[in-house]
Amino acid sequence: DQQVKQNSPSLSVQEGRISILNCDYTNSMFDYFLWYKKYPAEGPTFLISISSIKDKNEDGRFTVFLNKSAKHLSLHIVPSQPGDSAVYFCAASHSGTYKYIFGTGTRLKVLA
Amino acid sequence: DGGITQSPKYLFRKEGQNVTLSCEQNLNHDAMYWYRQDPGQGLRLIYYSQIVNDFQKGDIAEGYSVSREKKESFPLTVTSAQKNPTAFYLCASSISGPGANVLTFGAGSRLTVL
Repeated sequence: DQQVKQNSPSLSVQEGRISILNCDYTNSMFDYFLWYKKYPAEGPTFLISISSIKDKNEDGRFTVFLNKSAKHLSLHIVPSQPGDSAVYFCAASHSGTYKYIFGTGTRLKVLA
Repeated sequence: DGGITQSPKYLFRKEGQNVTLSCEQNLNHDAMYWYRQDPGQGLRLIYYSQIVNDFQKGDIAEGYSVSREKKESFPLTVTSAQKNPTAFYLCASSISGPGANVLTFGAGSRLTVL
């Protein structure tokens, strides 16, 4: 049972436009969400997080939105740059556990 | 600079051999983790440790073993019982306390079984 789903395996966006990456979860106990960026043959690097007490968190060009009723979160990148081309993973956890559940990732390609 | 060091970066193994992947961190983090990445399957948790001398199985622990004798070190042994060991292995750590902490990852180790 995939508790965290990223249904779009890939996404192509023109440079300067907005990139929207989506993530759905099934476990209502999840209360903390992370987004990671990963280049090939490297470890993931942390981008941005959000807790369930918020519905939005912003850091520079990156904004994460959380819709608890829909069990859905999204990562917006504005404006998109060619260096943003990577695989993006969302991850979820809940208080009382050390386990982070990752989605399968979305490969973003930003076209120059 | 604080961080996580994984070694080796690339490792080749013959079938039937055990191999050990090293993970060392100097971030003073209490919790450490091992994940496995396969194409199209995201990151799956193998083992995690909240504190020295204690560790827990993750979702895919069969065929793997770990130890946590020191806070800084969390080596992973891929045994011959692991049926499909070829993968990219990632070690991570976080400060103590579940749920609201960011994982910091190492650069990964790619294991290939010949």
